[in-house]
Amino acid sequence: EAQVTQNPRYLITVTGKKLTVTCSQNMNHEYMSWYRQDPGLGLRQIYYSMNVEVTDKGDVPEGYKVSRKEKRNFPLILESPSPNQTSLYFCASSLWGAEEKLFFGSGTQLSVL
Amino acid sequence: QKEVEQDPGPLSVPEGAIVSLNCTYSNSAFQYFMWYRQYSRKGPELLMYTYSSGNKEDGRFTAQVDKSSKYISLFIRDSQPSDSATYLCAMRHNAGNMLTFGGGTRLMVKP
Repeated sequence: EAQVTQNPRYLITVTGKKLTVTCSQNMNHEYMSWYRQDPGLGLRQIYYSMNVEVTDKGDVPEGYKVSRKEKRNFPLILESPSPNQTSLYFCASSLWGAEEKLFFGSGTQLSVL
Repeated sequence: QKEVEQDPGPLSVPEGAIVSLNCTYSNSAFQYFMWYRQYSRKGPELLMYTYSSGNKEDGRFTAQVDKSSKYISLFIRDSQPSDSATYLCAMRHNAGNMLTFGGGTRLMVKP
């Protein structure tokens, strides 16, 4: 089954404790992206990657890091989480040149205390 | 002012009603127009997309783009309780790859 898998689904952590949210896709997609979803603000792009070792900032990259060492994986790293990073996070992927047809993961609800 | 505006709702309709969901936008460079559906506790899934202006129909769903008014619509005919979800519009430039999303409209279809 074609899918984007995120882990964990729920995460509660404390300020300053480094964490990683994993994302993996099995569709051989070149393009991968991370979004956060907040009430009233919709989906905002954090980082994206056009292919292995190629990443770039989205609209709200501050406080986040990403890496793309393999085509299928695109982890999101919060080196020192803060309460304003409490949000619902989605990973998405698509074929290169068809970024309007995004496939989303099921989301990670992060709470930073 | 946001680049893409969408009424958050909720919009509550009886089963079988025709539903109209809308977005307005300010950036005339947008060329790709999408509607994503998001069920509770799930990721968004692509419902329909159109390139430039015009209408596109897929079963009970019709997407309409009016670039002169910077206005897009999604119509749902014979709405079903299973259509209850949040509907997100999204747009993209021709040259770029980033999507700009509206805030979403929550739809509830009552049996």
